[in-house]
Order: sequence, then C-alpha cells, then structure tokens
Amino acid sequence: EVQLVESGGGLVQPGGSLRVSCAASGFIFSSYWMTWVRQVPGKGLEWVANINEDGNVKGYVDSVKGRFTISRDNANNSLYLRMDSLRAEDTAIYYCTRAGGPWAESVYWGQGTLVTVSS
Amino acid sequence: QTVVTQEPSLTVSPGGTVTLTCASSTEAVTSDFYPSWFQQKPGQAPRALIYSTSNKHSWTPARFSGSLLGGKAALTLSGVQPEDEAEYYCLLHCGGAQAWVFGGGTKLTVL
Repeated sequence: EVQLVESGGGLVQPGGSLRVSCAASGFIFSSYWMTWVRQVPGKGLEWVANINEDGNVKGYVDSVKGRFTISRDNANNSLYLRMDSLRAEDTAIYYCTRAGGPWAESVYWGQGTLVTVSS
Repeated sequence: QTVVTQEPSLTVSPGGTVTLTCASSTEAVTSDFYPSWFQQKPGQAPRALIYSTSNKHSWTPARFSGSLLGGKAALTLSGVQPEDEAEYYCLLHCGGAQAWVFGGGTKLTVL
C-alpha cells in the first residue's frame, strides 16, 4: 500500500525558514516523480513543485521560485521542501504526492502538514 | 502564467448527469495537456479520479468519465450519488517552467 506521511509543519515568522518532509513507503520510491501541492484552508489547490526520479529535474510555480527548494533522498525514501523567506501567503496545508506513471500527476496523496506563517 | 478555469459551483439531482469543465487561458485544451481530475471532500486529502484526459484509476467509480469537449477538458458524472457531493479540481500540464496548474475547483451539490 502506498503511504505518504508529511511532517515538519508548524508556526514560523515571516521571513523565516522551514523544511517539511515526506516519508514514503509501499513502493519503489526512486521510480517515481514526486510533487508538493499546497492548499490554503478553505481554498483551492496549488501545484508548488516537482522533482524527477533521480532528483536532477525540478519545477516550481513562479510564486516560490528562488525561495523554495525541492529535494529527495532515495536511499531513505524521503521527499523534502525547504522553504525560505516565508510570507503570510505561504500559509497552507502542504501535501506530498506521487505520480502514477508517465503523465499521471499526483495520483497518491499524503494527509498534509500545516505551515502557518505569522508573527 | 496560465490560468485554469472551472465552474465555481454546480447543482445536480440524485440520479442525474452533470458535466464539469476545465479551460486554459492560453489555448484550447487538448490531450497534450494531460488533464487530470480530483475529488476532495471536507477534511480529507484530494483523491485522484482521472488522468491523461479519460483514464480511470482502479478505484474510480464507473459513473465518472473524462473527455475533451469544445476545447475544454470535461468530467461527466452519470447517475450521480449523494456521496458525489464534493469539490472537484482539474489539473493541466501547461508546459514551460510552471509545469502543472490546478483549476480553481467546482463545488458540486447533490440536491
């Protein structure tokens, strides 16, 4: 069974940094693209960033470019999102997702971790 | 930056049929956008329903189907059940540096 468990969310001040993590199990982690999707509570979904199987191809939504960094550790079946220069508008639930195969984006989802940016 | 537009809300009667659509601000949606559809119920993570326009996952009920319709991606629910009341999101591959974009979501009410 595919399992994705996010952790690392919490309260951080504007301008601060945070790293959220995703522990993956139940599949061969190194064989799939992985993605971070976020959702402001009560609002819509926003695709944030993705990374290919071996970590050398990454994509970001414009609003986080230069501030967020996606990475992965295939040896430890883990996905990360390092978030710097955080803003109030980054407050959201951050979901870790796994592709289902070529062009099947975000088929499997974790339960999310809440990041709150506030003073 | 591409904007993906969905109907904000739709209402359907139990047993009825409803079609949700998903449009791109830049051009007509084709299979090259690899449209996906997701269902989200309150307090839950989204669940994938459709990928690459019309392909279903093993858990997708048969009453859900995906297609292209008039330059948009479409999700049709036939024989709607009360449990289908939810928010539905489409996702398009828009290419370039910003690879994927979600639509704003459609709140489907079964009444």
